[in-house]
Amino acid sequence: AQSVAQPEDQVNVAEGNPLTVKCTYSVSGNPYLFWYVQYPNRGLQFLLKYITGDNLVKGSYGFEAEFNKSQTSFHLKKPSALVSDSALYFCAVPEAAGNKLTFGGGTRVLVKP
Amino acid sequence: GAVVSQHPSWVICKSGTSVKIECRSLDFQATTMFWYRQFPKQSLMLMATSNEGSKATYEQGVEKDKFLINHASLTLSTLTVTSAHPEDSSFYICSASRDRRLLGEQFFGPGTRLTVL
Repeated sequence: AQSVAQPEDQVNVAEGNPLTVKCTYSVSGNPYLFWYVQYPNRGLQFLLKYITGDNLVKGSYGFEAEFNKSQTSFHLKKPSALVSDSALYFCAVPEAAGNKLTFGGGTRVLVKP
Repeated sequence: GAVVSQHPSWVICKSGTSVKIECRSLDFQATTMFWYRQFPKQSLMLMATSNEGSKATYEQGVEKDKFLINHASLTLSTLTVTSAHPEDSSFYICSASRDRRLLGEQFFGPGTRLTVL
């Protein structure tokens, strides 16, 4: 079965510093990987996805993610964090067929001014 | 494009009553809709998958008689929490996909906060 893991429950970072949210995956075949963000009391917003091609994927709000096959990782990054980036971040992987998604446990990001 | 709405955004009800939550795809036809439940500070738990015109597929451990899902059209799915109890209080999120060939593509609604007194 496809799965993703987010090893950190929370990440604290000072505004202006680089932000990294970790995700590792376990999939059969070629991985499709997604990142979503959830602001308080809101649904999920799509940030970016990796399907194939360039290992560095650029997404919304200045986020990017690096696909690393040897480390089976897909870490989310932002060079300079904003207070408004404080939210819950989810890594996700689809089932082998269809649209069903399996989510990681989520990582809460707190960016302090 | 690809906007999903939910109604209501929040609801408070008495124990024993039933609550219906609507999920609509506003600008596309959804081949599949998904219903999730989320507890505070936790990840999303998939409850069921529904395709238009067919019965929903429930995840293991989800009571189908408790959480009734109807996918009446390509733009509307409803989740009815029957005889709600305080333990059903949660944040319910729906999502929709428009093409089964696009693996993992889902568009999420804003969620509905249910509080059962």
